[in-house]
Amino acid sequence: SQQGEEDPQALSIQEGENATMNCSYKTSINNLQWYRQNSGRGLVHLILIRSNEREKHSGRLRVTLDTSKKSSSLLITASRAADTASYFCATVATGANNLFFGTGTRLTVIP
Amino acid sequence: KAGVTQTPRYLIKTRGQQVTLSCSPISGHRSVSWYQQTPGQGLQFLFEYFSETQRNKGNFPGRFSGRQFSNSRSEMNVSTLELGDSALYLCASSSDSSVRDTQYFGPGTRLTVL
Repeated sequence: SQQGEEDPQALSIQEGENATMNCSYKTSINNLQWYRQNSGRGLVHLILIRSNEREKHSGRLRVTLDTSKKSSSLLITASRAADTASYFCATVATGANNLFFGTGTRLTVIP
Repeated sequence: KAGVTQTPRYLIKTRGQQVTLSCSPISGHRSVSWYQQTPGQGLQFLFEYFSETQRNKGNFPGRFSGRQFSNSRSEMNVSTLELGDSALYLCASSSDSSVRDTQYFGPGTRLTVL
């Protein structure tokens, strides 16, 4: 399976702290994407990082990609209660035309 | 632009029935993908349509089918419903000619099979 694994499965932090989530995958990829999902609703795209990129920033988000280790991390700095959600990584394998989602990390930010 | 819309938002069916879900992509987007989300299996890719043609298909039985119309709206159909089909069904659209680009998701249809 090309599905990614995310670590940790759940994370609980205080508001203002940083949150780091990790994603590992199995095959070579075209790109890797991170999505957020609030409680059983649709997914919201956060950031896309291509296989030839190593780091990308968007506001309070920082994503790194290590293709040699087949892993990525998402860092959310200065977390807010509104960041409480599930976060998923999704990969597009090389030569493929669909997304494979990871298992997700459930983030809880305590006010 | 209006986002991706899905109808209905909630649906309750009984085993053996069939169901049709609808998805309207963002205006100008020609690629529409469908995903099933369950607590046990997570998010799984069902299929993807582009310009009225199914381009990619996930590993689901033939009871799951779909189509896309000339205005890029898409429907998916599940026949002979089983209890295990209870899930959140999400559709996503993309502006790119492939699904490698950013996917924009709808709010989902929550299907409960009794």
